[in-house]
Order: sequence, then C-alpha cells, then structure tokens
Amino acid sequence: SQQGEEDPQALSIQEGENATMNCSYKTSINNLQWYRQNSGRGLVHLILIRSNEREKHSGRLRVTLDTSKKSSSLLITASRAADTASYFCATKRNSGYSTLTFGKGTMLLVSP
Amino acid sequence: GAGVSQSPRYKVAKRGQDVALRCDPISGHVSLFWYQQALGQGPEFLTYFQNEAQLDKSGLPSDRFFAERPEGSVSTLKIQRTQQEDSAVYLCASSLGDRGSTDTQYFGPGTRLTVL
Repeated sequence: SQQGEEDPQALSIQEGENATMNCSYKTSINNLQWYRQNSGRGLVHLILIRSNEREKHSGRLRVTLDTSKKSSSLLITASRAADTASYFCATKRNSGYSTLTFGKGTMLLVSP
Repeated sequence: GAGVSQSPRYKVAKRGQDVALRCDPISGHVSLFWYQQALGQGPEFLTYFQNEAQLDKSGLPSDRFFAERPEGSVSTLKIQRTQQEDSAVYLCASSLGDRGSTDTQYFGPGTRLTVL
C-alpha cells in the first residue's frame, strides 16, 4: 500500500513561476526522497532529506520536512517547460530494508 | 556509465500467458528492487534482493509472481498465467549498498506490460 499522499494531484503554471507540491506520510521514517518521472527519462532521484533535517536545497529545488506533522514540501523555483513531469515523494522506514514507499504523485505542467 | 536497463520495454500478453521481464542493474550494485506502477499511481514495492538473496518478497501480489537473481547481477521477474490486473509498468531499481542503506536507488526505464 502507498504511504504518501501528494497534493495537489495536478498543477499547471507558467514558465518562471514557482511550483509547490506537498506530501504527507503515515509512519516514522529514516528519510524522505523526491523523484521526478517523465516519459523520456523514467524515474529520476531529485533530493533526499533525512528525518533529522528540516530543510534542504539543491539548485532550484527546496525541500522541507516536518516530522511532527509527517509532511514534506517540494518547491521548484523559476520553473521551466522542461520541469513538466510527475513528482513523487518516497519514504524509507527506520527499520528493515531500503525499500521505498511512494505516494501517488503530483502532475506538474509548465507552459511556455 | 550505463544505468539500469530493462527489457523488453513493452510487452503485450494474452490473458493466461507467462511473461518474463529482465533487469540489468548497474554493475557492482548490491541491492536490487522491483516495483509495480499502475496507471496514475506511484510505484509499489514488489521484492528486494541483496546480491543473489531475495530478502523481502512481501510486496508480490500473488504466487503467480516470481523473481530471481541467481548470480547477484541480472534479475528476472516472472509472472505466470497473466491476468488483466497485472497490466502495469514494472520498474527495476538498484543501489550500491546493502540492507538498510540510504544509497540512492537508480531506476530503469521500466517494462510496460499490457494483458489483453
């Protein structure tokens, strides 16, 4: 079963605008990761944030994590048409193997 | 270097047929994962290998699903007597470390299985 829920399910913006996607999860985690998926490149790892971190940056990406609310957000600044894709959050549990539990994803459309 | 590759990229099967899906992980990667992604959903875990050992198969939906990685490299996911509900994209991922590692998982392009 899927642990995470992303919202919104779909997001449509213009190039240059910022895009924010949210993710909620249910159990305690070791880390939370964001992935991007499009038909051309498959599922690509974007960024990982550990449970003891609150914010992380990578280029135009900013991720926050609130473990008390079991939620995370992904901000893409100055979006480009090439950012059009589905974005998934995935959590790794504290125990057991490295299995990832994915949410249902947010479809982002960036129009030129 | 080469990433994770999967073959075939597309497979159409008639209901009741057996299929075999292949995954070539990144060379030297210890961990290998199979995920199933239904249309409009996120990937769901099927099974996990550490080298040749299948350590977790809790996500396999039925005993019609079988996976192996006999030499700790290439893996095959086999589905027997396919059903329409098996239609999905099957993703393979590999990572460098072993169990419990936080290494990044690198995904293949997937095999899109359509069962008619």
